[in-house]
Amino acid sequence: NAGVTQTPKFQVLKTGQSMTLQCAQDMNHEYMSWYRQDPGMGLRLIHYSVGAGITDQGEVPNGYNVSRSTTEDFPLRLLSAAPSQTSVYFCASRAGWSETQYFGPGTRLLVL
Amino acid sequence: AQKVTQAQTEISVVEKEDVTLDCVYETRDTTYYLFWYKQPPSGELVFLIRRNSFDEQNEISGRYSWNFQKSTSSFNFTITASQVVDSAVYFCALSEEDQGAQKLVFGQGTRLTINP
Repeated sequence: NAGVTQTPKFQVLKTGQSMTLQCAQDMNHEYMSWYRQDPGMGLRLIHYSVGAGITDQGEVPNGYNVSRSTTEDFPLRLLSAAPSQTSVYFCASRAGWSETQYFGPGTRLLVL
Repeated sequence: AQKVTQAQTEISVVEKEDVTLDCVYETRDTTYYLFWYKQPPSGELVFLIRRNSFDEQNEISGRYSWNFQKSTSSFNFTITASQVVDSAVYFCALSEEDQGAQKLVFGQGTRLTINP
């Protein structure tokens, strides 16, 4: 198993541009989440999904959209990038029978 | 609201010293889970341990040990005989259950530097 994969590893955007951060898992996990990591603030939940077709907002959802059309994929869309969205983004997944989330390698995003 | 506090922002010790990372949490839930994750310089998040609120037994895994005390709402992490490879940022996290979804609330992290 590849586990949780994220692409790209690093991205530079200009203010106002849009992009999609990709996340995929091959463990058939029901639950998937997106977090952002900012210096001195730990990780904060952006959006999460409890299964295909079901998504909900986390602590900091503004400026981001998600969808979950398949169990494997959970893309995060930035509609109009802002410098405040400069961060490291982590995707995570967990099985329904487990309480442990496993994280992808992260995507470092810089918005100029 | 749930909250996790890691009061130690940075810790620096010499190799082979023992070091304890503190974690204090707040929750109104009676059932919850606590976690520690390690983030080495390469940036990934590595799961270390999970503890549920009904199990207050301390756990030891090699040089790592964890002390869970509900009376003080603490879940501290001790590394014995530290090594340079232990240098990383360590995060404590608390799970919040919401309609079947598990949301993790993270502390701010403690940057641990082990000097040779």
